[in-house]
Amino acid sequence: EPEVTQTPSHQVTQMGQEVILRCVPISNHLYFYWYRQILGQKVEFLVSFYNNEISEKSEIFDDQFSVERPDGSNFTLKIRSTKLEDSAMYFCASSSFATDTQYFGPGTRLTVL
Amino acid sequence: ILNVEQSPQSLHVQEGDSTNFTCSFPSSNFYALHWYRWETAKSPEALFVMTLNGDEKKKGRISATLNTKEGYSYLYIKGSQPEDSATYLCEAAGGTSYGKLTFGQGTILTVHP
Repeated sequence: EPEVTQTPSHQVTQMGQEVILRCVPISNHLYFYWYRQILGQKVEFLVSFYNNEISEKSEIFDDQFSVERPDGSNFTLKIRSTKLEDSAMYFCASSSFATDTQYFGPGTRLTVL
Repeated sequence: ILNVEQSPQSLHVQEGDSTNFTCSFPSSNFYALHWYRWETAKSPEALFVMTLNGDEKKKGRISATLNTKEGYSYLYIKGSQPEDSATYLCEAAGGTSYGKLTFGQGTILTVHP
């Protein structure tokens, strides 16, 4: 059964460093999403992506964040200059169309020191 | 951001009990509602996606209903089993566009043998 994969599973970085979180969505899906969950808080929507551009983004998704689909299979989230408060579990998801079932990856735990 | 509320926050039931919980969301500019089951250390697993008022979906012992006019959805579990213990999340798509997605804070279900 096809699944969404994410790498790495755990990333530790120093404050101020750039990180790139990688996701491989399900191959025939067209919509891609990033979410995050800060420990003890609810899951938060960051951004949705379709047709090589951002469809929607939340207030959290500021200029420090960017997304890219560099090669038709990977979907990446870049945080330019990480802050302590960026420490969270980051989930990628994909769906066939906009309101369809989203399939989540296993998540990347980002720890900013 | 949509205001998506789930209640109760947590629920303890005995094996064999039937239970239900609620997700409420703004009824205007609604596009879709997703229910997910989220076990600790795993990624959210899609249960249902519903778009139309009056939708009812069923998967085994779990079912869900949707009322878009009054802005709520119920998730029912019949004959709860210990393996049903998880956090149940709802996510609403709506507001300014289908791409704006907001999770509720989740209902933590614990089923005691």
